[in-house]
Amino acid sequence: TQLLEQSPQFLSIQEGENLTVYCNSSSVFSSLQWYRQEPGEGPVLLVTVVTGGEVKKLKRLTFQFGDARKDSSLHITAAQTGDTGLYLCAGYNAGNNRKLIWGLGTSLAVNP
Amino acid sequence: DTEVTQTPKHLVMGMTNKKSLKCEQHMGHRAMYWYKQKAKKPPELMFVYSYEKLSINESVPSRFSPECPNSSLLNLHLHALQPEDSALYLCASSAGGAVNSPLHFGNGTRLTVT
Repeated sequence: TQLLEQSPQFLSIQEGENLTVYCNSSSVFSSLQWYRQEPGEGPVLLVTVVTGGEVKKLKRLTFQFGDARKDSSLHITAAQTGDTGLYLCAGYNAGNNRKLIWGLGTSLAVNP
Repeated sequence: DTEVTQTPKHLVMGMTNKKSLKCEQHMGHRAMYWYKQKAKKPPELMFVYSYEKLSINESVPSRFSPECPNSSLLNLHLHALQPEDSALYLCASSAGGAVNSPLHFGNGTRLTVT
C-alpha cells in the first residue's frame, strides 16, 4: 500500500504552460517535503511545509499543504525547460517521525 | 555543489568482487542514510545511522554492509552482488533529532553489477 499517492506519474508539456502535481494520503503528516532531482544528481530539497493550510512560494513554484495535513500540491507557472526533472514528495507520518515516506514521483519534461 | 560528497561517481563490478562506497558530510549532521534508487523511481531506504549507531535496517540483504566510522563518514561495503543490485546508491544526511528534518543528498554512485 502506497501511503503517499503522487500524480501524475509522467507529464510532458510545452514551455510556458502551467502544471500542478498532487500528493495525497489518507494519513496525517506532520510535515511534507518536496524535492527535485535532475539526471545524474541526488534529490534537492525545494521546500518543507509544516502547518495545515500553509502556502509557500519559490519564484514560479507554489506549494500548498492541505488544511488537514493529508495532502499537498506543487504548482508551476510558465514552465521552463530548466524545470525538467523528477519531482518527489515525501513526508513524516504523524505517528512515526523516524522514517520519511516517499511518493512515487512525477517525471516532468518541459519541451522548448 | 552538494555538501554531501560520494565516491566513486561510477562503479562497475563483477558478482565476485568486493568494493566500498564512501560518503562524507561536514555539516555536523548526526543522522546519515543509504538509499537505493532505480531510474525514475523514488529512493528506497536501506540503512539509517543516528549518532553513529545503526538505527534502521530495512531488511537489506547481508551482501550490503554499512559502516559509520565517525559522525562525518558513512561507508557501504559490497560483496557478491547480483545484477539486479545495479542502481544509483544515494547517501544523505540530516540534522536528526530535529523533527521533520529534511535530507541533504549526495549525487550518488551509479553502480553496475556485471
